[in-house]
Amino acid sequence: GAGVSQSPRYKVAKRGQDVALRCDPISGHVSLFWYQQALGQGPEFLTYFQNEAQLDKSGLPSDRFFAERPEGSVSTLKIQRTQQEDSAVYLCASSLRLFAYEQYFGPGTRLTVT
Amino acid sequence: DQQVKQNSPSLSVQEGRISILNCDYTNSMFDYFLWYKKYPAEGPTFLISISSIKDKNEDGRFTVFLNKSAKHLSLHIVPSQPGDSAVYFCAAGDGGYQKVTFGTGTKLQVIP
Repeated sequence: GAGVSQSPRYKVAKRGQDVALRCDPISGHVSLFWYQQALGQGPEFLTYFQNEAQLDKSGLPSDRFFAERPEGSVSTLKIQRTQQEDSAVYLCASSLRLFAYEQYFGPGTRLTVT
Repeated sequence: DQQVKQNSPSLSVQEGRISILNCDYTNSMFDYFLWYKKYPAEGPTFLISISSIKDKNEDGRFTVFLNKSAKHLSLHIVPSQPGDSAVYFCAAGDGGYQKVTFGTGTKLQVIP
């Protein structure tokens, strides 16, 4: 079956532009996570959804970051007024069961803000 | 505050020998630990995990050891193969819904 997919794979944005990053999790997966991975670092938690409910958004770095998963499947991470420090790889992961730590990751979207 | 630390950014090992990747953590609430493997331009893939009630878990060539008193875990790969060359991330969960904290990764190169 298909794994987690993300689009676009690469995005270049001028500083101040808004961007939207899409994640298609594995069908039927209840949990969905967004991570930000800076160069040379590990993934850092941004936000978590259980079905359509956003249960934790403590990792979002500012109010310019917004995530949604309106129907409990596809999710979108939106960054408004992008800044250079937003340049990173944004990873989406999903998990079938609650309380299962093993997550399935997508390939990521590399965002470059110029 | 880096709660999960991988102090070796890189490691080179000859094919057929043992690779040992290390990870230290500071949060005593962590009770579940995982290793992920990442190839360039791909997302991390789950490799092996261990619960804090165990001190060892083995899956084929991969074994993870946990020393709770030292807050240390290690991943052993034996024998190492060139296809094992990747970045390995250690991750830990604290018994919550599934949120994990990742280390900074160790790049393993297995030399043929």
